[in-house]
Amino acid sequence: DAGVIQSPRHEVTEMGQEVTLRCKPISGHDYLFWYRQTMMRGLELLIYFNNNVPIDDSGMPEDRFSAKMPNASFSTLKIQPSEPRDSAVYFCASRSPGGAQYFGPGTRLTVL
Amino acid sequence: SQQGEEDPQALSIQEGENATMNCSYKTSINNLQWYRQNSGRGLVHLILIRSNEREKHSGRLRVTLDTSKKSSSLLITASRAADTASYFCATDGTGFQKLVFGTGTRLLVSP
Repeated sequence: DAGVIQSPRHEVTEMGQEVTLRCKPISGHDYLFWYRQTMMRGLELLIYFNNNVPIDDSGMPEDRFSAKMPNASFSTLKIQPSEPRDSAVYFCASRSPGGAQYFGPGTRLTVL
Repeated sequence: SQQGEEDPQALSIQEGENATMNCSYKTSINNLQWYRQNSGRGLVHLILIRSNEREKHSGRLRVTLDTSKKSSSLLITASRAADTASYFCATDGTGFQKLVFGTGTRLLVSP
């Protein structure tokens, strides 16, 4: 198994632009999580899905953030419009039946 | 607020020495997990210990859990330079599937 796949690995954009981050979870994992990591705030859970259904989006910072999971093998996190304070590393993770989470390599987002 | 907090925030040791990191948490849990993060990479799951377990081993890793004190420790024996990373504990609240991560311990192992 290739593990959790995220794209792009790096994204540099200008303030106001739309950003879409993508994630492919490990096959057979029925939970998917989106996190954001910054030096100031550490690792924050943004939203998670179970069987493609959003369960808890209380960590999504603002209406500018949205996430979808149209099927079991694909999820997106969208920021529209992006702002400089959104600059961070965004991780996707999927959860094994045993409870361990498997993280992707992350997307490093820089908003200028 | 964060559920877990690691102590110390940073730890510097020599190769071959043991490294001990501690984690304290606030509420009841189903399980506690430890993760490693190398610089610029995603987190890697190391070990999971359930609330009814007191100790667990995996290779050079030893994890203990004291639910009465709401604390856990991670011991890395015979450390290597490749163990240099940040280590995070993560807990799940009873009945919830999401994890809450601590602030992490930065471990530096010098050759």
